[in-house]
Amino acid sequence: GAGVSQSPSNKVTEKGKDVELRCDPISGHTALYWYRQSLGQGLEFLIYFQGNSAPDKSGLPSDRFSAERTGGSVSTLTIQRTQQEDSAVYLCASSPTGDYGYTFGSGTRLTVV
Amino acid sequence: DQQVKQNSPSLSVQEGRISILNCDYTNSMFDYFLWYKKYPAEGPTFLISISSIKDKNEDGRFTVFLNKSAKHLSLHIVPSQPGDSAVYFCAASADTSGTYKYIFGTGTRLKVLA
Repeated sequence: GAGVSQSPSNKVTEKGKDVELRCDPISGHTALYWYRQSLGQGLEFLIYFQGNSAPDKSGLPSDRFSAERTGGSVSTLTIQRTQQEDSAVYLCASSPTGDYGYTFGSGTRLTVV
Repeated sequence: DQQVKQNSPSLSVQEGRISILNCDYTNSMFDYFLWYKKYPAEGPTFLISISSIKDKNEDGRFTVFLNKSAKHLSLHIVPSQPGDSAVYFCAASADTSGTYKYIFGTGTRLKVLA
């Protein structure tokens, strides 16, 4: 597609359930990033994938969070045993190798009730 | 510990006037800076960037100024238009590892009044 696609756009889940968020980056973009924006906060870095290199997971807030990127393209962010503080907009971005500017998707708004 | 700070959560400007959005940072290793614009229910879109080797970058109505000694950057929009109403984020990166991992500020909501 022409842009970064994220699904679902909205997700409401009960506390304690697991959720999976999906990101389809721009075709050919080797770098993929996950960020989240909690209410009143800036964008918080979560994880970064670049080609076949080991991902930079330094931003994941707890071991309930994990992400994978299959075949160097689609990525899924999984949150296990969701908590109310996980409620946020989760944004995915991609960029070509060596490019400074990201292209963001529209995000997934996660609400944990 | 907020490494990138946007101390003004909101700003209102009359159409046609200049909008000035400010951003301060604490990490002297930051060497690349971006501004993003975000409309409701959309992802942020890249607006303009500046490298630490420059002190100004201009693109149409948008100009970014960097003052390294003050660890301060600003985005000027001249003339402001109602379509510029959005949340603006500044972001900074210390590109020592090549990951282009950015630290974002909390954003400033700009409202341009017609």
